[in-house]
Amino acid sequence: SQTIHQWPATLVQPVGSPLSLECTVEGTSNPNLYWYRQAAGRGLQLLFYSVGIGQISSEVPQNLSASRPQDRQFILSSKKLLLSDSGFYLCAWRERPGNTIYFGEGSWLTVV
Amino acid sequence: SQQGEEDPQALSIQEGENATMNCSYKTSINNLQWYRQNSGRGLVHLILIRSNEREKHSGRLRVTLDTSKKSSSLLITASRAADTASYFCATDHVPYSGNTPLVFGKGTRLSVIA
Repeated sequence: SQTIHQWPATLVQPVGSPLSLECTVEGTSNPNLYWYRQAAGRGLQLLFYSVGIGQISSEVPQNLSASRPQDRQFILSSKKLLLSDSGFYLCAWRERPGNTIYFGEGSWLTVV
Repeated sequence: SQQGEEDPQALSIQEGENATMNCSYKTSINNLQWYRQNSGRGLVHLILIRSNEREKHSGRLRVTLDTSKKSSSLLITASRAADTASYFCATDHVPYSGNTPLVFGKGTRLSVIA
């Protein structure tokens, strides 16, 4: 069966520091991968999605970036965090458009 | 951007009552999905309903879809305290390709009081 792992679960980072959140999917190949952000008490904002290795689409221009170095690995990064980057980050995957999306457990980021 | 909008934003009911949440969207869809999120956790998929379907059931959950009104509803019958969570609808829009990821609404916060 397929599983998704996302880490770290929580982190507190100072303003201006770098960020790396990692997500891996097991049990499938060539998944569609997604990064969402959820501000406190708000809905989900799509940040990036990828339909294949090295293929990244950005939905919201900001100081975050994403990479897909391997088929089932999706990384969210920042060179310099802002206070406004604080939030709950969710990685997700699905096999193909129209299918159910499955989410990781999320990563809580607090920028101080 | 195209987006589902849940209504109400918050709902508080007594245990045993039914809870109904609604979702409206703006443009044609391929399918609509409902998700549940416990506080501070990831989203869990509940039901997917395709555009050619009008109703689906799963246990105590019933989802309806009215494409003419561009709306869907999620009914939870005989609610339990453990149903307390946020519920989101998400839509797969036409055209149908890998470049059209699910678009989520802001959710309905359901509180079931024991």
